[in-house]
Amino acid sequence: ETGVTQTPRHLVMGMTNKKSLKCEQHLGHNAMYWYKQSAKKPLELMFVYSLEERVENNSVPSRFSPECPNSSHLFLHLHTLQPEDSALYLCASSQDSLAGPNEQFFGPGTRLTVL
Amino acid sequence: AQTVTQSQPEMSVQEAETVTLSCTYDTSESDYYLFWYKQPPSRQMILVIRQEAYKQQNATENRFSVNFQKAAKSFSLKISDSQLGDAAMYFCAYRGSWNNDMRFGAGTRLTVKP
Repeated sequence: ETGVTQTPRHLVMGMTNKKSLKCEQHLGHNAMYWYKQSAKKPLELMFVYSLEERVENNSVPSRFSPECPNSSHLFLHLHTLQPEDSALYLCASSQDSLAGPNEQFFGPGTRLTVL
Repeated sequence: AQTVTQSQPEMSVQEAETVTLSCTYDTSESDYYLFWYKQPPSRQMILVIRQEAYKQQNATENRFSVNFQKAAKSFSLKISDSQLGDAAMYFCAYRGSWNNDMRFGAGTRLTVKP
């Protein structure tokens, strides 16, 4: 595997289900991100982990719970979701340093549908 | 807070022609980075080009080039000799030098006509 991978690619769940999204980066990066992409809206940053510590949480509802067990893996645990949470969830990684553009590399996304 | 605006929800271009996608941003910072990302239909988002704000020279990557106007806070993307494979959503993004919070515009959907 190369780059950033995400599983599953598609997920359909009911509002009472519990599921998890997985992201893995094979780039040796030290920061990982979760974004939500909804139709006709800018990407919304949900969570940032740098060196496995959460550094940013943009007021995301508690029904989304991130987990970063190591620098290569990132999870997004989902429970009691709402239909408006249906979207494409993108994972990204970057090599953060004080001097550098630190561009982010994205995974293919998980298309989530909440019924 | 920094905001990124892409005023063109959709654009189209004839194959082999040139097209320019617009992006403006709002910031009070002097050091930052700007990016253009491409997201083809049902495919992964990839970086097209980046620009460091401290560099006056516009970035170029093969058929892709930018027109960076720092004073005007404008960062447009020019695609020359457009190809069918250029059809995608294009996102402009901003990142300040001292944080890893990247702000994205709403995107421009580019259609390439054969």
